[in-house]
Amino acid sequence: GENVEQHPSTLSVQEGDSAVIKCTYSDSASNYFPWYKQELGKRPQLIIDIRSNVGEKKDQRIAVTLNKTAKHFSLHITETQPEDSAVYFCAASENTGFQKLVFGTGTRLLVSP
Amino acid sequence: DAGVIQSPRHEVTEMGQEVTLRCKPISGHNSLFWYRQTMMRGLELLIYFNNNVPIDDSGMPEDRFSAKMPNASFSTLKIQPSEPRDSAVYFCASTSGGELFFGEGSRLTVL
Repeated sequence: GENVEQHPSTLSVQEGDSAVIKCTYSDSASNYFPWYKQELGKRPQLIIDIRSNVGEKKDQRIAVTLNKTAKHFSLHITETQPEDSAVYFCAASENTGFQKLVFGTGTRLLVSP
Repeated sequence: DAGVIQSPRHEVTEMGQEVTLRCKPISGHNSLFWYRQTMMRGLELLIYFNNNVPIDDSGMPEDRFSAKMPNASFSTLKIQPSEPRDSAVYFCASTSGGELFFGEGSRLTVL
């Protein structure tokens, strides 16, 4: 089955800096790659996603890139703000048609003012 | 829509007791997932249903865990008997094929 690895496990940046989180996946048939943000004590919520027919997607200060050949994808957050502090999870969906997501282990991002 | 609704939000029980967690998916969503979240293992997929039918339960840790979806608007996850290592946050999530929406989670503590 699919296996998703995520790095780093923790990331500390100063407000205004950029943050990059990287993930790799194992199943070349995976075709959907969402990113979820989870604030302390809250539910995971989708912030951006990308499908395998697209190499890059951007939404304001966040962007995701996908390299299908290397089987890795990354989340980029620019001009970080303290409210960006949270745990971020990448995920990959096996090509089963049921949107079964396999999650990475999470990255705790801390943005210091 | 009120989103995915889970109950109870918190449950504290003693080892050996039966625990039942409940989930109401978003109306119109045809897939429902149960995840378990712990610090050590992250978000683990336990089981998922499509059109009320269990598709893959390979993530269910042991026979002590069971899940049902008797209709499109209700699912349960049962642990019997519960053990301290079952302590975790259990999330239910639903989708109609696009974004996966999570409930608030049920925090289970087994003493």
